[in-house]
Amino acid sequence: ETGVTQSPTHLIKTRGQQVTLRCSSQSGHNTVSWYQQALGQGPQFIFQYYREEENGRGNFPPRFSGLQFPNYSSELNVNALELDDSALYLCASSLATGEMNEQFFGPGTRLTVL
Amino acid sequence: DQQVKQNSPSLSVQEGRISILNCDYTNSMFDYFLWYKKYPAEGPTFLISISSIKDKNEDGRFTVFLNKSAKHLSLHIVPSQPGDSAVYFCAAPPGMNTGNQFYFGTGTSLTVIP
Repeated sequence: ETGVTQSPTHLIKTRGQQVTLRCSSQSGHNTVSWYQQALGQGPQFIFQYYREEENGRGNFPPRFSGLQFPNYSSELNVNALELDDSALYLCASSLATGEMNEQFFGPGTRLTVL
Repeated sequence: DQQVKQNSPSLSVQEGRISILNCDYTNSMFDYFLWYKKYPAEGPTFLISISSIKDKNEDGRFTVFLNKSAKHLSLHIVPSQPGDSAVYFCAAPPGMNTGNQFYFGTGTSLTVIP
């Protein structure tokens, strides 16, 4: 059983650019959530995907968008990058019918916007 | 608006002694709480949880206490071990049927001194 993996591990972009982050969910999991963790802060919920549909969204602007694929892997896309988008982006997978404590996080992608 | 707060950014404890990490929340509708542990370069991992129908949950060296009237929970680690050195986050889902949309606190960095 493989855990949650994310790619790339680190990324440097400049303001105004676009970025795509990728997440492979744990085997058997059908729900993926994305979180943004700024320096010195806790993870902030961005959105969640279930069966390829967005299923809940936090307080993030529309330039944060996502996709979930039939194999339950997911992408987070951020357009028009801003300096404040610099953060660790965490992906978490779970079963929609599972217990709340059975959400497993990947190691994250560290995004730096210059 | 920070609905889950951890007011101590860091804590240092001698090996073998008790570590007490605190968390406060503002939303009285929260009915389930989780603690996550995060090592550098890894994603958060689930540690222990508690439902609002209980005031205590114990798992080995880890005990979580919930005081609903004070909207306060605490994580006790006893005895503390050097391997417990990590950042600890408390988290709460906003309500029933919200999937894995958690509110996280800002974290407390625990250092256990050998």
